[in-house]
Amino acid sequence: ETGVTQTPRHLVMGMTNKKSLKCEQHLGHNAMYWYKQSAKKPLELMFVYNFKEQTENNSVPSRFSPECPNSSHLFLHLHTLQPEDSALYLCASSQVFRGDYGNTIYFGEGSWLTVV
Amino acid sequence: ILNVEQSPQSLHVQEGDSTNFTCSFPSSNFYALHWYRWETAKSPEALFVMTLNGDEKKKGRISATLNTKEGYSYLYIKGSQPEDSATYLCAFPGTTSGTYKYIFGTGTRLKVLA
Repeated sequence: ETGVTQTPRHLVMGMTNKKSLKCEQHLGHNAMYWYKQSAKKPLELMFVYNFKEQTENNSVPSRFSPECPNSSHLFLHLHTLQPEDSALYLCASSQVFRGDYGNTIYFGEGSWLTVV
Repeated sequence: ILNVEQSPQSLHVQEGDSTNFTCSFPSSNFYALHWYRWETAKSPEALFVMTLNGDEKKKGRISATLNTKEGYSYLYIKGSQPEDSATYLCAFPGTTSGTYKYIFGTGTRLKVLA
């Protein structure tokens, strides 16, 4: 148990569906992240939120829409995805202080997404 | 574009063998280097955060060293056990305008054979 919970763990959706991935952290952290893990590729940063403000959008297609209503919750809204978007989506959180990169990132167990 | 390289990509060792793998990162603008272990069906778990050149960290049979001037870190496992089988990731935090971006390498997939 890392303190970061993701739901659902597995999701199968059609290309015309709208679905959402949910992440909740119980660690009191001020930053939350979405990462994507595709086969044979490194973990790819998608979005970063610091204090509920989106500070990074790593050229992610608009069919992925993040939402951070408070510092404990993070959503990834999915709409008209493509089969190549099938991957493991990992949520993470950390406590960030300006200029301090020594804080550990805590990950959830991920949501396996299959787009059919 | 920050590039974090790990080698080898995968490794099979016999139980009891010692092994090591490499993480290479940009040597300029160094902030920190993180190591994670990622077991199948679990979440990546932090092993070490290294911040100083010459740093050496140890946790049980696992240790890591850091050379910031030449841009590499080694992870060592002494007397490998089957439970050490996992993917080992390193991450290099980069920043633009104060945003905290952790760039991960592709990982080294270790399989320890009993």
